[in-house]
Amino acid sequence: QKEVEQNSGPLSVPEGAIASLNCTYSDRGSQSFFWYRQYSGKSPELIMFIYSNGDKEDGRFTAQLNKASQYVSLLIRDSQPSDSATYLCAVNRGGANNLFFGTGTRLTVIP
Amino acid sequence: EPEVTQTPSHQVTQMGQEVILRCVPISNHLYFYWYRQILGQKVEFLVSFYNNEISEKSEIFDDQFSVERPDGSNFTLKIRSTKLEDSAMYFCASSFRSYTEAFFGQGTRLTVV
Repeated sequence: QKEVEQNSGPLSVPEGAIASLNCTYSDRGSQSFFWYRQYSGKSPELIMFIYSNGDKEDGRFTAQLNKASQYVSLLIRDSQPSDSATYLCAVNRGGANNLFFGTGTRLTVIP
Repeated sequence: EPEVTQTPSHQVTQMGQEVILRCVPISNHLYFYWYRQILGQKVEFLVSFYNNEISEKSEIFDDQFSVERPDGSNFTLKIRSTKLEDSAMYFCASSFRSYTEAFFGQGTRLTVV
């Protein structure tokens, strides 16, 4: 079983729509959850982090965490063409100070 | 805004040669990491470093690899006797505390020929 799983996509949404990105993880002891954005050929850029169950909002981005279901998601409201990138879910397991990344979901926002 | 910087941006080396990848973490950060990403694949953890020693390493980080903090600002990854399969983007990252958000440098693209 993979540590962190994401739908690889591609996910296409029209400009102005809500993009929903999902991630599941296998280790129930996981403590910290991160969403990174990666443009082609570039490094991961931190967008959001969440530690507690529930929602966390930052501008157009909302991260949602459900530890019982081992599920974390990212909502992007009012999607813009500049949001087109690969979104990486990363999980920090309990007892391990490193990140396990999913394979990423490629998002395309169509003007 | 503080950032992690890596040099060089691109390194081409012959198989069997040694390479050193350099990183300057964010100045007040205490935890340093190396990750790699083979083209088209996911980002993979190599090693974490805290208080001048390795705190964790993955199975990828074998005897071919070593890390060092030679002074107060630089953090290096040495790959001895490079192999073709070492070709990848290597990312340095740093964080202020453990289990918190890590910030990534722009990466070094290593090409082994």
